[in-house]
Amino acid sequence: DTEVTQTPKHLVMGMTNKKSLKCEQHMGHRAMYWYKQKAKKPPELMFVYSYEKLSINESVPSRFSPECPNSSLLNLHLHALQPEDSALYLCASSHPGTGGFYEQYFGPGTRLTVT
Amino acid sequence: AQSVTQLGSHVSVSEGALVLLRCNYSSSVPPYLFWYVQYPNQGLQLLLKYTSAATLVKGINGFEAEFKKSETSFHLTKPSAHMSDAAEYFCAVSVRAGGTSYGKLTFGQGTILTVHP
Repeated sequence: DTEVTQTPKHLVMGMTNKKSLKCEQHMGHRAMYWYKQKAKKPPELMFVYSYEKLSINESVPSRFSPECPNSSLLNLHLHALQPEDSALYLCASSHPGTGGFYEQYFGPGTRLTVT
Repeated sequence: AQSVTQLGSHVSVSEGALVLLRCNYSSSVPPYLFWYVQYPNQGLQLLLKYTSAATLVKGINGFEAEFKKSETSFHLTKPSAHMSDAAEYFCAVSVRAGGTSYGKLTFGQGTILTVHP
């Protein structure tokens, strides 16, 4: 099973709302990633969790707050977002292989619209 | 540091024609290379990967790619295009990262493939 699931599929929120995105994988992967993708652009890395610890934060604004409660789950908490945060948010996971070969498996994404 | 350049943001072919999507990379160390496909409003699906085992890599859906170190290229090909191949394709590079348990992908800008009947 090489599946990463994400919920919800679509989310519309106001600038004062608080919402969360959820990502789940059951492949035994110990690295999980959040990406943001704008239209016609490649994904941009936001956060990396390795063994449930935050390893990379690519200078993401604090209105995005990641959480990794266990090795299978990854959340992205959203608060006071701006319209420019509207995008497709992708989750990925990878196996902790050796030698730098980290094939990432992506979920279907959450389409976020901030109004 | 590594980088990826995809030549041609849009490629258009007729159904049954050869598909060729170009990717050149830059890396100071031996790279791992990937091609991903993205259908509208979906996530990225791995098509194929180069991990130094073989220079000609076969992937899903009839795609293949050849790693050419002398040309720093990893072009994606398919002998005969199908309507269902219409999508956006991303080339990506990940370098060996000793001491860590995760990888950092660097993506190209993407190539949108259109297939005409």
